[in-house]
Amino acid sequence: QVQLVQSGAEVKKPGASVKVSCKASGYTFINYDVNWVRQAPGQGVEWMGWMNPTNGNTGYQQKFQGRVTMTRNTSISTAYMELSSLTSEDTAVYYCGSRHLDEPAVIRHWGQGTLVTVSS
Amino acid sequence: DIVVTQSPDSLAVSLGERATLNCKSSQSVLYSSNNKNYLAWYQHKPGQPPKLLIYWASTRESGVPDRFSGSGSGTDFTLTISSLQAEDVAVYYCQQYYLTPRTFGQGTKVEIK
Repeated sequence: QVQLVQSGAEVKKPGASVKVSCKASGYTFINYDVNWVRQAPGQGVEWMGWMNPTNGNTGYQQKFQGRVTMTRNTSISTAYMELSSLTSEDTAVYYCGSRHLDEPAVIRHWGQGTLVTVSS
Repeated sequence: DIVVTQSPDSLAVSLGERATLNCKSSQSVLYSSNNKNYLAWYQHKPGQPPKLLIYWASTRESGVPDRFSGSGSGTDFTLTISSLQAEDVAVYYCQQYYLTPRTFGQGTKVEIK
């Protein structure tokens, strides 16, 4: 079955960068996209962007442009989301999620979430 | 960007009663060439990732109980829980996937009255 396993919790200082990984199993990695969604404390969920692992093409939410980079390593079926110039407002749980590229562009499969805390 | 607005922000319903959640998009998410509405609903419980309930505005995801139903077209959509169960306490989000960014609404919190 489709499974997405994310890397562990991170604590970062303001101005630093964080890189969260999302390892896929149970399917052919390049046949499914990867979305990144975050939820700050007490807030709703927010779509950050997506990547097509087949070709590495990405699309980012405007507010994250210039700070976020989504990449993948197809040899180990792992996607990455790197966010730079962190502030306290980036403290959130970050989720990866995927769907087969032939399916509607919803998020059918989810990782367990990674808590990123930004604190001095 | 398409702005998605949900109402109400929170809702308290008695067990076994109907819950009605609303979602409005700032522009139509109906694609005329296939007559499909690019609108999904998710359930989000604390400590868990969100769960897909409904896509194409009214197609129930496999394994989702039939007390959950979606309706609407164009810019106005509704998620109905026909008979609220204790396990349905959660925050519910709608999301448009007509255009990127695939924006979510702010969520509706459903509680037991």
